[in-house]
Amino acid sequence: SQKIEQNSEALNIQEGKTATLTCNYTNYSPAYLQWYRQDPGRGPVFLLLIRENEKEKRKERLKVTFDTTLKQSLFHITASQPADSATYLCASNYGGATNKLIFGTGTLLAVQP
Amino acid sequence: DAGVIQSPRHEVTEMGQEVTLRCKPISGHDYLFWYRQTMMRGLELLIYFNNNVPIDDSGMPEDRFSAKMPNASFSTLKIQPSEPRDSAVYFCASRRGFGETQYFGPGTRLLVL
Repeated sequence: SQKIEQNSEALNIQEGKTATLTCNYTNYSPAYLQWYRQDPGRGPVFLLLIRENEKEKRKERLKVTFDTTLKQSLFHITASQPADSATYLCASNYGGATNKLIFGTGTLLAVQP
Repeated sequence: DAGVIQSPRHEVTEMGQEVTLRCKPISGHDYLFWYRQTMMRGLELLIYFNNNVPIDDSGMPEDRFSAKMPNASFSTLKIQPSEPRDSAVYFCASRRGFGETQYFGPGTRLLVL
């Protein structure tokens, strides 16, 4: 069955460093991958989308890559700040459908000042 | 734009009681999604609507769960009777057309005792 997985362990990094989060998928080929940010007690907020024919996407300090050979997406936050501390969720379309999303369980990022 | 509105934000009830969660999507959005989030299973899609019509309810766990969308600005998710294992955060999200980005509400935290 389709699976999308993120590292369940929290990622702790120092302010100013680059945070790198990983999302792996198995048993399917997503048309796109999305990354969301979720703060405690709030709903996920969309950050970036990358399609299968794109290698890299950037938005300000954020960068996402999509490697169809490794079946993996990497999410980078450069010059990280304590305000970047949150849970980051990876999502993709579900199977052949484009209306449904399947989410990873998220990775908690903690940026230490 | 007020964003997706959900009510109540918190609900505590006893096993066997009926629970009704409410959602108002963003005006102009024609897709509405209901999700459930738990620590163990992450964010799971329960059901989604397009133009007020239920399209896919394959994620609804049991017959105890039902959802309706009587008009473009209102949807309900009902659990009857509720059980302790239904305790979770329930999110509503909406989307415009074929865009892939979903906009999430703040969620309803449900605790069934």
